[in-house]
Amino acid sequence: NAGVTQTPKFQVLKTGQSMTLQCAQDMNHEYMSWYRQDPGMGLRLIHYSVGAGITDQGEVPNGYNVSRSTTEDFPLRLLSAAPSQTSVYFCASSRFSGAGEKLFFGSGTQLSVL
Amino acid sequence: KQEVTQIPAALSVPEGENLVLNCSFTDSAIYNLQWFRQDHGKGLTSLLLIQSSQREQTSGRLNASLDKSSGRSTLYIAASQPGDSATYLCAAYNAGNNRKLIWGLGTSLAVNP
Repeated sequence: NAGVTQTPKFQVLKTGQSMTLQCAQDMNHEYMSWYRQDPGMGLRLIHYSVGAGITDQGEVPNGYNVSRSTTEDFPLRLLSAAPSQTSVYFCASSRFSGAGEKLFFGSGTQLSVL
Repeated sequence: KQEVTQIPAALSVPEGENLVLNCSFTDSAIYNLQWFRQDHGKGLTSLLLIQSSQREQTSGRLNASLDKSSGRSTLYIAASQPGDSATYLCAAYNAGNNRKLIWGLGTSLAVNP
C-alpha cells in the first residue's frame, strides 16, 4: 500500500538548473497538490490539480510548472532554480476536490539550490 | 482573510500527562478543520478531520473539538507517550474556496520518558 510516493528524497541544484520532482499516488485520487514548507512560514500551496488534464495555481506558483496527464502522476518542474526555492516540497492527494476529504502526503523532497 | 494560529509553538511534557493543543482561526466560515502530525524529516499524516457541522472527532487517545463561534479547535491527547513526540499542525478549509487549506505553523511536542 504505497500511498503517495515522491522522488527524489534529496536534491542539490545549482542556480539556473532545471529539474522535475516526481509524485505518484496509487489510491485513484482525483485531487493532487504540491506544497512547499519553509521555517516560520508554514505550508504554502504551489499548484494543484482536480483531475487529469486540469491544473491551477496556488499561492506561490512562480518558477514552477505542473502537468497532469494521468490520474496517478503529478510532476512539479522547476524551470530555472533559484536559491529562494530551497525548501522541502510535499505532494499531497485526496479522493475528491471537495473540502471534506482527508489529505494524504508524500514523505517530501528536500531541495537545496546553491 | 483567514488566519490560523497555533499556540504554544513548542511544548514539553512528561510521559503519561494528558495535554491539549490549541488552534485558533479568524474566520468562522470554515468548511472543516483537519489536524495533522508531522514527524521530524517526514511527511504529514492526517489525524482527525472535523466537519463544520460536527463538534468533535475521536480516534484512539486523540480527541479533536471544534467551536466555530469562538474560532477555536483543540486536540486532546490522553496519556501521552514518547511516541507522540512530533509536530502537530492544524489546517482550516475556508467555506469560500474548497481547494485551499489555511495552515497553522504547528506545535512541536516532546513527551519525555
